[in-house]
Parts: sequence; C-alpha cells; structure tokens
Amino acid sequence: AQRVTQPEKLLSVFKGAPVELKCNYSYSGSPELFWYVQYSRQRLQLLLRHISRESIKGFTADLNKGETSFHLKKPFAQEEDSAMYYCALSDFDAGKSTFGDGTTLTVKP
Amino acid sequence: EAGVAQSPRYKIIEKRQSVAFWCNPISGHATLYWYQQILGQGPKLLIQFQNNGVVDDSQLPKDRFSAERLKGVDSTLKIQPAKLEDSAVYLCASSLVRGSSYEQYFGPGTRLTVT
Repeated sequence: AQRVTQPEKLLSVFKGAPVELKCNYSYSGSPELFWYVQYSRQRLQLLLRHISRESIKGFTADLNKGETSFHLKKPFAQEEDSAMYYCALSDFDAGKSTFGDGTTLTVKP
Repeated sequence: EAGVAQSPRYKIIEKRQSVAFWCNPISGHATLYWYQQILGQGPKLLIQFQNNGVVDDSQLPKDRFSAERLKGVDSTLKIQPAKLEDSAVYLCASSLVRGSSYEQYFGPGTRLTVT
C-alpha cells in the first residue's frame, strides 16, 4: 500500500531563513514523488516532481530511497512562499496518487 | 488554456439527500480524477477515469457514491444518500494521459456541507 507522511502540520519561519518541509513515504515499488502547493484562494498546483530534478521558485527536493524521504527545501524563504504544501506519491503505471495531509508554511516578515 | 471547471462551488444539503457535482476537464486530457478532501487532510483519490473507462475506484464508497464520464469528456460525481461524514471539498483533476509523470491540473473544488 502507498502511504505518505508529512509530520509537521504547521511550520513557521522568518523571511530569509532556510526552510525544510518533511515528507516520508512507504511504497513497495519504485515511486514517483511530487510536491503540490496551494496558495491562499488558489487551486492546488504542481510545484515540482523528482523525476525532473528541477528547481522551482528556489525550491528543491531530493529523493532519498534509503530513508524513503522526499523533503522540500529552500535556502532563503520569502513571504510569498506562505502556502499549504502537499507531498504526493504516484504509482508509475496507473498514475494513482496518494497525498500527505499537508504542511502549512508561514513565512513571517 | 482554460482550466478544469467544476460546479457548483458550494453546496449545503441535509443528510439522506442526494447531490451531484460536475467537472469539465482541460480539453484533450484523457485522464480524469475525483478526490475527496476532508478538512485537515490531504486529497484522497475516489475514482480515476481513462477516457470514459474506470481505471481505479478502489476507494469509492460504492454503496452511496457513483461517477460517470460520458463520451470521455465531462464527468459527474453523485452521492445518494449523503451522510454527515461526506462533508468535504470534492476536487476534480485531469491530466493529458495516464501515468504518474504527467502533471495533474486541479479544479477549484466543490465544498459540500451535510447537515
């Protein structure tokens, strides 16, 4: 069974500080991992996916298969990063997605 | 491009009543998803369509929930009869094809309150 755990419901940092949102997963196969973001009064949208190895809005995430983690990081948080962040895991063939319960990030001025 | 459309945006019903939600995916997207998001939780997949066929409905409470996607485009999700625990946001998403590497595009959601 697929499972995604985001241990922090709330995370608060000051502007300019580093931020790390944690995500741990369990999956028997080879996972596809994603981070989705929902800004206030906006739709849920893809932030980044591990297969692309890209940096979006300064965020990066590395898949650690040994620790079964996919933590989201940004070296210098900005106020506009305040949002709800969801980690998601997908089955490669079927595309079935399992989401974590999300972390609300607040970046204080 | 136009995004995923959903209606209604809000719905309040009494328990044991019926309700239906509508979704129009992005044009050309073959895969359509319905998620249930209860307050404080992440989205939970209810059903996934590939064109007009069901790919996965393992988490759909089939005694009260039903969904269809006629002609492989629009989709409706129905609850009959509703229970208090069905209060949630119902999200529709679509992707170009099936497969996890393809981005899912989400609609604004329908917020259902069952009293």
